[in-house]
Amino acid sequence: SQQGEEDPQALSIQEGENATMNCSYKTSINNLQWYRQNSGRGLVHLILIRSNEREKHSGRLRVTLDTSKKSSSLLITASRAADTASYFCATENSNYQLIWGAGTKLIIKP
Amino acid sequence: DTAVSQTPKYLVTQMGNDKSIKCEQNLGHDTMYWYKQDSKKFLKIMFSYNNKELIINETVPNRFSPKSPDKAHLNLHINSLELGDSAVYFCASSQTGVGKNIQYFGAGTRLSVL
Repeated sequence: SQQGEEDPQALSIQEGENATMNCSYKTSINNLQWYRQNSGRGLVHLILIRSNEREKHSGRLRVTLDTSKKSSSLLITASRAADTASYFCATENSNYQLIWGAGTKLIIKP
Repeated sequence: DTAVSQTPKYLVTQMGNDKSIKCEQNLGHDTMYWYKQDSKKFLKIMFSYNNKELIINETVPNRFSPKSPDKAHLNLHINSLELGDSAVYFCASSQTGVGKNIQYFGAGTRLSVL
């Protein structure tokens, strides 16, 4: 079943600006993951943050996790045209199943 | 070397036909999945197999039958195709264990039922 919700559903920004996407979930989690999907391709794992972590960085990506609010955000700094894609969050529950959000479509305008 | 490969990439067929999609992973993972992604990009888990055994079977019509001959392969057979089956189907694999459930996806099979 799907329990993640992401907002915004779509985001369009200028190249060089920062992009922020949010994810909310409903039950307790082991970890939360972010994936990217380029048009016509499969999903690619970006970053995993554990339930006992609050922030994680990977290159231009910064992920935060607030378990009290059951929410996470993905920040992409200094966006590039190649960042244009859909971004999905997924939470791992106690049965090690991934529950997926509906995705945010990000468009970077040159 | 492709980590998760699925064939065919495109599948166009008539209503009522039976078709199969194949998936193979060379990552040594013990769990494989089938997902359906609709036109709104909503990703829905259909099946999950761990070491050739079915562990997730979401509410999916029984026209869909997965088969796992070994832990590196998970095929999807669809009987009596319907218009509503048109979607992109993704195969994925992962390792089980705490913090190891990072999923690797195939490129997808775009199924169009006419």
